[in-house]
Amino acid sequence: KAGVTQTPRYLIKTRGQQVTLSCSPISGHRSVSWYQQTPGQGLQFLFEYFSETQRNKGNFPGRFSGRQFSNSRSEMNVSTLELGDSALYLCASSVAGQQNSPLHFGNGTRLTVT
Amino acid sequence: DQQVKQNSPSLSVQEGRISILNCDYTNSMFDYFLWYKKYPAEGPTFLISISSIKDKNEDGRFTVFLNKSAKHLSLHIVPSQPGDSAVYFCAASLQGKLIFGQGTELSVKP
Repeated sequence: KAGVTQTPRYLIKTRGQQVTLSCSPISGHRSVSWYQQTPGQGLQFLFEYFSETQRNKGNFPGRFSGRQFSNSRSEMNVSTLELGDSALYLCASSVAGQQNSPLHFGNGTRLTVT
Repeated sequence: DQQVKQNSPSLSVQEGRISILNCDYTNSMFDYFLWYKKYPAEGPTFLISISSIKDKNEDGRFTVFLNKSAKHLSLHIVPSQPGDSAVYFCAASLQGKLIFGQGTELSVKP
């Protein structure tokens, strides 16, 4: 069974631009969550989608948005990029959602904002 | 406000000895706790979990202990192996959200 796939692996953008990251979950998984990892901050929860609906949201500004498609694939968008958005963005999928089943993470997209 | 804290950013242990990774939390409403392991350039992988109604869960070399009165969680690895060298994250579940600690980098020396 293929794992969680995130594209692209690396991305370099400049301040003010926008970026879209993609995530393909494990086949059969309907929940997709997004996390931001920065040094010293651990993994910060961005949002979770389940059956195309946002089910949970973390404490990030509205510049961070996401969506989920009918095939469970998900995209995350960051608009008006700031230097502090440089981070590893991780996507995770699970069968039923975070509480009932462990998350399976992709290898992440490393975003650098210059 | 960091609800899940791993106060040790790093830990170094000799191969064959016990590794103990610690995690503290502030919210007594957390109902599920998990540990993940992360190697460089890879996403975290699930290691072991424990429900808040239990105080211990064991899986091979890995044991998780939960002390609810102290709001403290620990992961014991016995015996430690060089391949265990990685960053370990504890996480707590609240209303469907997983809240992670900052991570502890474990180094197991041969």
